[in-house]
Amino acid sequence: EAGVTQSPTHLIKTRGQQATLRCSPISGHTSVYWYQQALGLGLQFLLWYDEGEERNRGNFPPRFSGRQFPNYSSELNVNALELEDSALYLCASSLYSGVRDEQFFGPGTRLTVL
Amino acid sequence: SQQGEEDPQALSIQEGENATMNCSYKTSINNLQWYRQNSGRGLVHLILIRSNEREKHSGRLRVTLDTSKKSSSLLITASRAADTASYFCATPYTGANSKLTFGKGITLSVRP
Repeated sequence: EAGVTQSPTHLIKTRGQQATLRCSPISGHTSVYWYQQALGLGLQFLLWYDEGEERNRGNFPPRFSGRQFPNYSSELNVNALELEDSALYLCASSLYSGVRDEQFFGPGTRLTVL
Repeated sequence: SQQGEEDPQALSIQEGENATMNCSYKTSINNLQWYRQNSGRGLVHLILIRSNEREKHSGRLRVTLDTSKKSSSLLITASRAADTASYFCATPYTGANSKLTFGKGITLSVRP
């Protein structure tokens, strides 16, 4: 069974540009979560999608947005990039909606903003 | 603010020794989860303990949960160099604003 996949592995952008990160959940998983892991700040919850709907978002500005497609894959968009957006972005999926059970993580996308 | 806080922030031990890591949280939970992260990679789920459980084992891992003290501990017995990683506890907020919140993690170094 394939795990959670993310693309690209690395992404380098300049300040003000837009970044698009992609995630494919484990087959059969309908919930997708996005996290930001910046140096020294731990994992910060960004977004939760389930059945194509945004269920919850963390304390991030509106320039962080995303969507979930009918096949449950997901996209995270970050507009007007700032230097502090440089971080590892992790996607996770779960079999059940919500936080009752474990989440399975992808390898992450390393975003560097110059 | 972080729901879970791990302690210590860093731990260095010799191969073969036991490693104990602690996590404290603030609000009532229905489960607590521990994850491992190897350098710069995704997280791997280790174990989930539910609020009505006091202790759980998985291989060399032993997790305890004390809901009265709002704390959990992760014990890795007979540590190996391959256990070198960051370890996170994660606790869920449930309800309308459901999310999993992570502590800042414990960096474990196991010296061969």
